[in-house]
Amino acid sequence: AQSVTQPDIHITVSEGASLELRCNYSYGATPYLFWYVQSPGQGLQLLLKYFSGDTLVQGIKGFEAEFKRSQSSFNLRKPSVHWSDAAEYFCAVGAREYGNKLVFGAGTILRVKS
Amino acid sequence: KAGVTQTPRYLIKTRGQQVTLSCSPISGHRSVSWYQQTPGQGLQFLFEYFSETQRNKGNFPGRFSGRQFSNSRSEMNVSTLELGDSALYLCASSLSGGLDTGELFFGEGSRLTVL
Repeated sequence: AQSVTQPDIHITVSEGASLELRCNYSYGATPYLFWYVQSPGQGLQLLLKYFSGDTLVQGIKGFEAEFKRSQSSFNLRKPSVHWSDAAEYFCAVGAREYGNKLVFGAGTILRVKS
Repeated sequence: KAGVTQTPRYLIKTRGQQVTLSCSPISGHRSVSWYQQTPGQGLQFLFEYFSETQRNKGNFPGRFSGRQFSNSRSEMNVSTLELGDSALYLCASSLSGGLDTGELFFGEGSRLTVL
């Protein structure tokens, strides 16, 4: 069965510092991997996605993620965090044979200190 | 271009009642998926409809049902509400039937409180 683990429930980062949010997945076939962001009271917004090819993917708002098959990981990074990045971040996995179904991690809440 | 619209945004029900939530996808989108979000269980997939047919179903009891109309609008229904059904219900629409060919766009959700 598909599963996604986000080991960090909360992360606090100073504004301007770098950020890395961890994501590990478990899935037998070739996964489709995603990162979403959710601000309070809002729906989910797609930051970036990986299907195949180049393992380093660029997304919106200056985010990037690297797919490491050997570690079953898809960590999200940003070189310099802005106060507006404070939100909850979700890693998700899907697969072609499951249509548009996504399995989400538990989420990581990011706090940004000024 | 209008986004995914969910109605109502907030509602309060009592145990044993039923509720119907509505989702209007982005114009032209044929796939609609529903997710339940709770603090304890996180985001869980309920079901997906594509061209009026249920294509995928999550692990929820039969009290949770849905349908999609010919204009792609979707409704989900929860009967015999329980306290544990209190959640944010998110709808997502997609142009196509696959994650690799179309992005999922999420609505802002319907927040259901069961008393």
